[in-house]
Amino acid sequence: AQSVTQPDIHITVSEGASLELRCNYSYGATPYLFWYVQSPGQGLQLLLKYFSGDTLVQGIKGFEAEFKRSQSSFNLRKPSVHWSDAAEYFCAVGARQAGTALIFGKGTTLSVSS
Amino acid sequence: DGGITQSPKYLFRKEGQNVTLSCEQNLNHDAMYWYRQDPGQGLRLIYYSQIVNDFQKGDIAEGYSVSREKKESFPLTVTSAQKNPTAFYLCASSVLARSTDTQYFGPGTRLTVL
Repeated sequence: AQSVTQPDIHITVSEGASLELRCNYSYGATPYLFWYVQSPGQGLQLLLKYFSGDTLVQGIKGFEAEFKRSQSSFNLRKPSVHWSDAAEYFCAVGARQAGTALIFGKGTTLSVSS
Repeated sequence: DGGITQSPKYLFRKEGQNVTLSCEQNLNHDAMYWYRQDPGQGLRLIYYSQIVNDFQKGDIAEGYSVSREKKESFPLTVTSAQKNPTAFYLCASSVLARSTDTQYFGPGTRLTVL
């Protein structure tokens, strides 16, 4: 069965420091992978997605993610965190079958300290 | 502006009452979804619809019902059979129900059972 694991429940990073949020997936074939961000009390916004091709994916707000098949990982990175990046981040995996919705990880809450 | 609207933003329900959450989209998307979000649990799929007059159960459909009479609308009814309905409910839509299609989320409805 497909699953997504985000090992870190909560991370605190200093403003201006680099960030890496971890995501591991379990799937029998190459999955479709997504990162979403959610501000408190709001809906989710897509940061980036990976389907195939270049394993380093660029997204909005200066985020990037790298797909590593050998490690079953899709970690999200940002070189320099801003206070406005404080939010909850969700990794998700999509199946190849039509009619299947995304499977989400439990999320990582990012706090940014000054 | 195109997007997804959910109403109300906050909803309070007495035990034993049914309540209906509204979700409307003007993106001309065929597929629509309902997720439930609980703290530390990520998002779990309740129901999804690939096309008008068609919908499928997700992982946690018990105690919920939906309808899809119009392309733009996908209301969710939380019935009295739902044992623990207090949660944040998110509606989403995508062009089609393919896992490569980006899902766009509404701002959510927070339901509290008194």
